[in-house]
Amino acid sequence: GAVVSQHPSRVICKSGTSVKIECRSLDFQATTMFWYRQFPKKSLMLMATSNEGSKATYEQGVEKDKFLINHASLTLSTLTVTSAHPEDSSFYICSARPSGRGGDTQYFGPGTRLTVL
Amino acid sequence: AQSVAQPEDQVNVAEGNPLTVKCTYSVSGNPYLFWYVQYPNRGLQFLLKYITGDNLVKGSYGFEAEFNKSQTSFHLKKPSALVSDSALYFCAVRDRGNNAGNMLTFGGGTRLMVKT
Repeated sequence: GAVVSQHPSRVICKSGTSVKIECRSLDFQATTMFWYRQFPKKSLMLMATSNEGSKATYEQGVEKDKFLINHASLTLSTLTVTSAHPEDSSFYICSARPSGRGGDTQYFGPGTRLTVL
Repeated sequence: AQSVAQPEDQVNVAEGNPLTVKCTYSVSGNPYLFWYVQYPNRGLQFLLKYITGDNLVKGSYGFEAEFNKSQTSFHLKKPSALVSDSALYFCAVRDRGNNAGNMLTFGGGTRLMVKT
């Protein structure tokens, strides 16, 4: 149980285009999902907290107009990197926290590697 | 504010020997503590957590961790390392009293290398 999927696993795009990454909780509902960014050999940096049915909460220094987050259902959150640039190239990881009891643990997706040319 | 420190960037262990990956934390209240493992080009896999109760927590793949409140530590241990344990390990903390989105704070990660 507690499986989180991400799609796509890898994406290469041209500078200036937009890329959408999906995060799904497959066998549980998640009121709250999180989006992280990880640089090579570095720890995870929390970008934003995604709440179902409401606006995401962005961490300091993260541009909300560049990294659009939509949490339209209890099992799906999407991150759209708008007008991507090479410096946006990174490994993006989402996590989901089960709603209700047992929601003290976050479960992570396998990550999406974004390369912007 | 909450923080986590993993003082070792890398730990080298011979296969079959016991391993320890260190973690210390700082929270204003009582902590929830977690260990995650990351294999190359993969997301994080949950290993174990401390919420309450016994200070010694047993998790996946034979790993365990001991919560030490006086030393504010939550070191990860395994009695006998396997080569397949080689990966990047992250310790994380959440303050039970922190309702700001239940945010986890991660340590910098420790790379475990198990060699034959």
